[in-house]
Amino acid sequence: EVQLVESGGGLVQPGGSLRLSCAASGFTFSAYWMHWVRQIPGKGLVWVARINTDGSIISYADSVKGRFTISRDNAKNTLYLQMNSLRAEDTAVYYCAREILTSQGYWGQGTLVTVSS
Amino acid sequence: QSVVTQSPSASGTPGQSVTISCSGRSSNIGSHTVSWYQQLPGTAPKLLIYSDNQRPSGVPDRFSGSKSGTSASLAISGLQSEDEADYYCAAWEDSLIGPAFGGGTKLTVL
Repeated sequence: EVQLVESGGGLVQPGGSLRLSCAASGFTFSAYWMHWVRQIPGKGLVWVARINTDGSIISYADSVKGRFTISRDNAKNTLYLQMNSLRAEDTAVYYCAREILTSQGYWGQGTLVTVSS
Repeated sequence: QSVVTQSPSASGTPGQSVTISCSGRSSNIGSHTVSWYQQLPGTAPKLLIYSDNQRPSGVPDRFSGSKSGTSASLAISGLQSEDEADYYCAAWEDSLIGPAFGGGTKLTVL
């Protein structure tokens, strides 16, 4: 069974940092592009970042460029999102997702990040 | 302003058919395929349609997708109470170098 389990969310002060993790199982993690998508509670889905199978191709939404870093460890079947210089507007549920625009689209249950003093 | 837009709400009664629309540009829907996701309350999005009109295994054939030009549609026939959810379209956006999502349509089954 395919599983994506996010962790690392929580309450952080503005300007602070947080690292999210996404543990993958039930499929060959190293064969798939992966994404982070966020959703402010009650609002829509917003793409954040993507990474290819070996980490050599990465892109970010303008709103997080220079502050967030996506990475992966294929040996550990884990996707990461390092979030620095956090702002109140980064408050959201963060989902990791596999291959959003293909037949292999699958999402984790999300982890809530709250940026507040 | 979002590059992909959806009507914020739709509704229907059990057994009826309903269509949800998604409007984009040449840089997204006009030149790339569309996926549709269903998000039940308090859960993660689930893939309903990919490549404009293909259903993953396990998705009922009550759900169908279509695309014309820079617009796409999700049709749901034989509406059921468990279809009450938020529905999102998504397509690659050239300027984003990533996927763009519509703002979502909240479907209410009356």
